[in-house]
Amino acid sequence: EAGVAQSPRYKIIEKRQSVAFWCNPISGHATLYWYQQILGQGPKLLIQFQNNGVVDDSQLPKDRFSAERLKGVDSTLKIQPAKLEDSAVYLCASSPNRAWGVEAFFGQGTRLTVV
Amino acid sequence: RKEVEQDPGPFNVPEGATVAFNCTYSNSASQSFFWYRQDCRKEPKLLMSVYSSGNEDGRFTAQLNRASQYISLLIRDSKLSDSATYLCVVNQAGTALIFGKGTTLSVSS
Repeated sequence: EAGVAQSPRYKIIEKRQSVAFWCNPISGHATLYWYQQILGQGPKLLIQFQNNGVVDDSQLPKDRFSAERLKGVDSTLKIQPAKLEDSAVYLCASSPNRAWGVEAFFGQGTRLTVV
Repeated sequence: RKEVEQDPGPFNVPEGATVAFNCTYSNSASQSFFWYRQDCRKEPKLLMSVYSSGNEDGRFTAQLNRASQYISLLIRDSKLSDSATYLCVVNQAGTALIFGKGTTLSVSS
């Protein structure tokens, strides 16, 4: 079974530039998450989708971050404009339901460096 | 107070040692509990779920104390390959997984 696919794997941008990340979840998984993991920290939820609807985006910095999940499958996360503190690994995960008692499967992540 | 708290370590132990990690959570409504493992520069992967009665998987034993809002992971007979960061994770119905900062384990020969 194919896992969660993310691209790109690495990205280096200058502050104030824009960047977008793409995620393709495991086939059939209704729930998709974007997490931000800063070095030395645990993953922090940015947004949770159930199919193509947003369940939780309370920790998404909406002045600069946006995410969408068109047709309830692939998702994109965008940052515009980027700040130095956005340097982190952006992890996409999916699970077959709303993750209560069910494992979430993670992609390899996109490592973003803002200079 | 953070939702999930862990001792960050690092824990440096020799091969064959027994090591225990602890974790506390603040939300008494939490219903599901997990330990995830994350290798350096890799994504987190599920190590084991944690059940109220406690559960064991080979050299790994997980315990849950709901009254104290406390979760533990015990690793017996440590191997070099156990070196990683161990993430304590909690979840409520309908919400996303909430991660602790992780505890780093280094097993040496």
